[in-house]
Amino acid sequence: ETGVTQTPRHLVMGMTNKKSLKCEQHLGHNAMYWYKQSAKKPLELMFVYNFKEQTENNSVPSRFSPECPNSSHLFLHLHTLQPEDSALYLCASSQAQGDTFVGYTFGSGTRLTVV
Amino acid sequence: SQQGEEDPQALSIQEGENATMNCSYKTSINNLQWYRQNSGRGLVHLILIRSNEREKHSGRLRVTLDTSKKSSSLLITASRAADTASYFCATGNTPLVFGKGTRLSVIA
Repeated sequence: ETGVTQTPRHLVMGMTNKKSLKCEQHLGHNAMYWYKQSAKKPLELMFVYNFKEQTENNSVPSRFSPECPNSSHLFLHLHTLQPEDSALYLCASSQAQGDTFVGYTFGSGTRLTVV
Repeated sequence: SQQGEEDPQALSIQEGENATMNCSYKTSINNLQWYRQNSGRGLVHLILIRSNEREKHSGRLRVTLDTSKKSSSLLITASRAADTASYFCATGNTPLVFGKGTRLSVIA
């Protein structure tokens, strides 16, 4: 267990469904991130939250909607997805910049399949 | 943050051998990190080396940093089948940008 928990581990959804991915960290970190990893592609940064505020949206389609109600929880709401959105979705957290930064802690990911 | 580029893209070795992977980057950095990813899982942070450090060790891992050449290397000594994974470097603080990684296969 890394201290970053993602649920569910696997998700199959139809293109008309609405679902949510959840990420929870128990490390006291103040920044959280969503990444997408498609087959044979590098990790793609999707969203960045610092102190619950979204600081980066990497040109992600509006069918992906993030929510960060507090510094320990991060959600990714999904609706009307496309088959090409099938991927491994990874959540990560970290401490702020500077000397206290020691790297990211990742969750185990949610394997999403859109049918 | 900038993206690091790992080399080689794939590496296959026998158990017990050493594995060396390289990372190059383009602009000045304050730190460089290495991560491991087992298939279908999240990334695991292995080691962070700061720009004023030249070498760092953690167990069977040895990382070097050459800021004049803008490059880093990750050495895994006495490799095991369990070391089979993809390895990524990333520079700077946040947000981190990852390259395609090096796929290491350790054959028993």
